[in-house]
Amino acid sequence: NAGVMQNPRHLVRRRGQEARLRCSPMKGHSHVYWYRQLPEEGLKFMVYLQKENIIDESGMPKERFSAEFPKEGPSILRIQQVVRGDSAAYFCASSPRDSEDEQFFGPGTRLTVL
Amino acid sequence: QQPVQSPQAVILREGEDAVINCSSSKALYSVHWYRQKHGEAPVFLMILLKGGEQKGHEKISASFNEKKQQSSLYLTASQLSYSGTYFCGTITRGNRDDKIIFGKGTRLHILP
Repeated sequence: NAGVMQNPRHLVRRRGQEARLRCSPMKGHSHVYWYRQLPEEGLKFMVYLQKENIIDESGMPKERFSAEFPKEGPSILRIQQVVRGDSAAYFCASSPRDSEDEQFFGPGTRLTVL
Repeated sequence: QQPVQSPQAVILREGEDAVINCSSSKALYSVHWYRQKHGEAPVFLMILLKGGEQKGHEKISASFNEKKQQSSLYLTASQLSYSGTYFCGTITRGNRDDKIIFGKGTRLHILP
């Protein structure tokens, strides 16, 4: 059973471009979480999604950021018009049911904005 | 709302014990512990769901004091492989769709 997959692993963008991060949860998992991590800091919650539904997006900036988890295909975290402050590691995690379950983390996407 | 972890960093020699604390200003529904090695993804250690619950994982165990709104992670006879950053995550009382809020982490370095 493959683990959580994220791609790309590294992404370089220039200011103003769009960044699109993908996350394929573990097979059978219908809950996806996105976190942002800055160097030497903790995991900051961004958004919690179930298939076709956003459950909680309170940690995601209202502008430029969006997330989706369609019925088919991976979850996507989209950052429009990136700025240098968006540079960070973005981790996706999945769980089979809800927040009471163990979360399985992907390897992360390291975004660098030039 | 973010739980507070202490200490921020610990340096131990192999075989020594360590305790990492996690406290919340809000009533807790559950506490989650993860370990992250440098450059890698966080890895699940354990979840504590009930007040007073204790769990063990090899020589790593944890307790949850619901009344004090805190949890402690115990590392006994530490091994080199225990090095990494330990994060506690908390869910405050609410429904099962509540998100986990992680603390800033405790960096543990084990010396041979």
